[in-house]
Amino acid sequence: DGGITQSPKYLFRKEGQNVTLSCEQNLNHDAMYWYRQDPGQGLRLIYYSQIVNDFQKGDIAEGYSVSREKKESFPLTVTSAQKNPTAFYLCASSISRGGPNIQYFGAGTRLSVL
Amino acid sequence: AQSVAQPEDQVNVAEGNPLTVKCTYSVSGNPYLFWYVQYPNRGLQFLLKYITGDNLVKGSYGFEAEFNKSQTSFHLKKPSALVSDSALYFCAVRVNSGNTPLVFGKGTRLSVIA
Repeated sequence: DGGITQSPKYLFRKEGQNVTLSCEQNLNHDAMYWYRQDPGQGLRLIYYSQIVNDFQKGDIAEGYSVSREKKESFPLTVTSAQKNPTAFYLCASSISRGGPNIQYFGAGTRLSVL
Repeated sequence: AQSVAQPEDQVNVAEGNPLTVKCTYSVSGNPYLFWYVQYPNRGLQFLLKYITGDNLVKGSYGFEAEFNKSQTSFHLKKPSALVSDSALYFCAVRVNSGNTPLVFGKGTRLSVIA
């Protein structure tokens, strides 16, 4: 899982609660990504950021928010507007320039609803 | 739009036999293609990538993949399967211009039986 640290490994959310998943990387990568993994659906892109203080919505951004205040950090907040948050969340990073940029992944956070 | 199809949810193979995990893609432009492997409750690990040139790409753990432009395929292969190869395999694609995130297939679960 390289130099990408996701925490916590397991997280439980109560009804109406916002929760934040942490993602930190020490690879000096410019770009960072959040994916959601559900059984049989593969990985779906939530948000990504190519540079500090800038980010773009992915395919399933509704109910989620992100920030990119530092190059090393890209936290994901699962808001109460996300009605079905139970999933495995994966953070990734890559060098941000044209070319076959390999995305490296963290170990993931499993989010469940109480 | 970019997309990846992995037509088999599950592939079963006997230990020592050759294995193939199938992937087809759709991009408007020339593709960069990737294979990743995921073990239970872990992040994705990079196996190999195709950029350009030789259609047969060799990667980690004895895996290789064959790029076929006319069939828009990028099948993962290994001459002799090991029980330890049992895992979830993802094919991914991005177009080779710009810096868009990878688009993943839904994954294929490989089971190698002793």
